[in-house]
Amino acid sequence: NAGVTQTPKFQVLKTGQSMTLQCAQDMNHEYMSWYRQDPGMGLRLIHYSVGAGITDQGEVPNGYNVSRSTTEDFPLRLLSAAPSQTSVYFCASRARGTGELFFGEGSRLTVL
Amino acid sequence: QQPVQSPQAVILREGEDAVINCSSSKALYSVHWYRQKHGEAPVFLMILLKGGEQKGHDKISASFNEKKQQSSLYLTASQLSYSGTYFCGTPGPRDDKIIFGKGTRLHILP
Repeated sequence: NAGVTQTPKFQVLKTGQSMTLQCAQDMNHEYMSWYRQDPGMGLRLIHYSVGAGITDQGEVPNGYNVSRSTTEDFPLRLLSAAPSQTSVYFCASRARGTGELFFGEGSRLTVL
Repeated sequence: QQPVQSPQAVILREGEDAVINCSSSKALYSVHWYRQKHGEAPVFLMILLKGGEQKGHDKISASFNEKKQQSSLYLTASQLSYSGTYFCGTPGPRDDKIIFGKGTRLHILP
C-alpha cells in the first residue's frame, strides 16, 4: 500500500505564481486534510474534507483553495503565492469512526 | 482553538521519565497523540476516548480527564528513540477536523 502520497516533495515559487500540491490516498478514507507546519507553530489545519464533494475551512485557509472530486484525491491550490506561505505542507487522511491520521511525507514549499 | 501543550521542550537523560500535558478551553471528546522525528511526518501513537481510560504503547502511556479537559502523555524509562516532537490533537464534536497543539520537543541524551 502506498498510503498517502504527496507531490511534489520540494518546490520553489516566485511571489504571485500559482501552483497545486497534489495528495492521493489509496485507503478509501473519507476524511482528508491539509496542514502547514512552521517552526514553533505546530501543525495548523488549512482545509479539510469529510467526503467527496464536501470541503471546509480550517484554522488558516486564506490564500488556499481545495476541492474533493473523488475519494482518493485532495489537491491544495495556492492562488497567488506569498513569502508567508513558505512552509512544509502535510496531507493526511483517516477513516470515519477511527482515530488514526495517516500523513504523507510532506511538501516543502519556498516562496521567494 | 488550539490545545495548549506544556512544557514546550524537555531535555532528559536516557532512562529518565517525562510527562507532557495537553489542555483545552473547550470540551474534549477524544485526544490523539503523535510523535514527529526531525524531517519526517508525524506518526500516530494513541487515541484516548471519553471514560478516563489510560492507554499504553510500550513504555509510553497516556491518560484523559474529560472533566478537566486535559490529557497527559507519560514516557517511562526514556530511550534515545523517544526523541522528537510530540503533538496532541483534539477533534471537534463531529469528529471531523483535528486541531493540533504547538508541540513539545523532547531530546534524550545518552
